[in-house]
Amino acid sequence: EIVLTQSPGTLSLSPGERATLSCRASQSMRNNYLAWYQQKPGQPPRLLIYSASSRVTGIPDRFSGSGSGTDFTLTISRLEPGDFAVYYCQLYGSSFSFGQGTKLEIK
Amino acid sequence: EVQLVESGGGLVQPGGSLRLSCAASGFTFDNSAMNWVRQAPGKGLEWVSGISDSGGDTYYADSVKGRFTISRDNSKNTLHLQMTSLRVDDTAVYFCAKPGSGRSFTPFDFWGQGTPVTVSS
Repeated sequence: EIVLTQSPGTLSLSPGERATLSCRASQSMRNNYLAWYQQKPGQPPRLLIYSASSRVTGIPDRFSGSGSGTDFTLTISRLEPGDFAVYYCQLYGSSFSFGQGTKLEIK
Repeated sequence: EVQLVESGGGLVQPGGSLRLSCAASGFTFDNSAMNWVRQAPGKGLEWVSGISDSGGDTYYADSVKGRFTISRDNSKNTLHLQMTSLRVDDTAVYFCAKPGSGRSFTPFDFWGQGTPVTVSS
């Protein structure tokens, strides 16, 4: 079973800054079947990125995903107030697994 | 417009049972796999169970295997989760989620608002 570990647990930044969120897999993910979700309080998660780097239609290009193998990154350039939320990475393909989440908070 | 509306949550004693439902609309239900994902209070996301578009294949997390049963009624566009032998650590908001591709084990592009389940004596 592949375990996903996200870091940092909490990231404190200001609007306009760049956010870099990490998701590390315990084993190499050959097909890069990794997705990223955003969740705001009281709401269900929203899919942002799939296949490690493909952005969902309608998601601003400020959000980008990268990485392969065991190390994956979600980058949010020029943070806006609505971007402060919890972000989860997800393994998919033959099973599902979520990382424990990174809380992006306003500094 | 895609809509997923969960129902059936509530308070149940340890060892009890509960049946969740998810009413789907706005897409071709019988062409899509479906899933249940839960989130314990203040915690992260945990995939619980999935079912293929026909209902012929079902999948479970180890934490619920043997206790929960996923099913679907394609004639009524409804997904179910029968939960038995409930434990305190099953307390969570349960979300119904559909994959964007319609295939099993692909990312979820739409989620319901969730239904809360509390297991407590």
